[in-house]
Amino acid sequence: QKEVEQNSGPLSVPEGAIASLNCTYSDRVSQSFFWYRQYSGKSPELIMSIYSNGDKEDGRFTAQLNKASQYVSLLIRDSQPSDSATYLCAVREAAGNKLTFGGGTRVLVKP
Amino acid sequence: DTEVTQTPKHLVMGMTNKKSLKCEQHMGHRAMYWYKQKAKKPPELMFVYSYEKLSINESVPSRFSPECPNSSLLNLHLHALQPEDSALYLCASSQAVARTYEQYFGPGTRLTVT
Repeated sequence: QKEVEQNSGPLSVPEGAIASLNCTYSDRVSQSFFWYRQYSGKSPELIMSIYSNGDKEDGRFTAQLNKASQYVSLLIRDSQPSDSATYLCAVREAAGNKLTFGGGTRVLVKP
Repeated sequence: DTEVTQTPKHLVMGMTNKKSLKCEQHMGHRAMYWYKQKAKKPPELMFVYSYEKLSINESVPSRFSPECPNSSLLNLHLHALQPEDSALYLCASSQAVARTYEQYFGPGTRLTVT
């Protein structure tokens, strides 16, 4: 059973601070990793994808991947109240196009 | 443009009804997906179509019947559903042959079975 694990939260972060979200996965041969943001009652929105070890930055978001340790993380810099949402980590299996989702981390950014 | 559209936005149906959910994308993607999402849970894969052929069925009950009429359209036909089938139904699409396989979700259909 391939698993993707996330802390369910809530992760409470003051406005302007850095939110740090972690995700671990069990399938060592996974190649592609994604972070989705989901507001309450809405559909998931792709915010980051990462495929190689290291960091990838996009605006206030940084994704970090460490395949040897089987974890992927997401940093949100200068957190805003509008960042309050559930963040889903998703891992694509090595063959095919099936994603396995973690349970999501709920983030609350307090003004 | 990364838009996937879904209709209807909301659907209420009785257990004896037949209804269909529709999904459309114009990104040239050749893989399309149906997911089911219950409250406070992650999306749960139901079906995958790749090049208009069903490639994955996650042991979904036969009261759910997918259809892919062409590369841009995906339908989910519903019949004799149960109240526990009430959920947010999400459609997604992605490149079928690519390293990235980034999946883009539509806004979803909120289904209530009475």
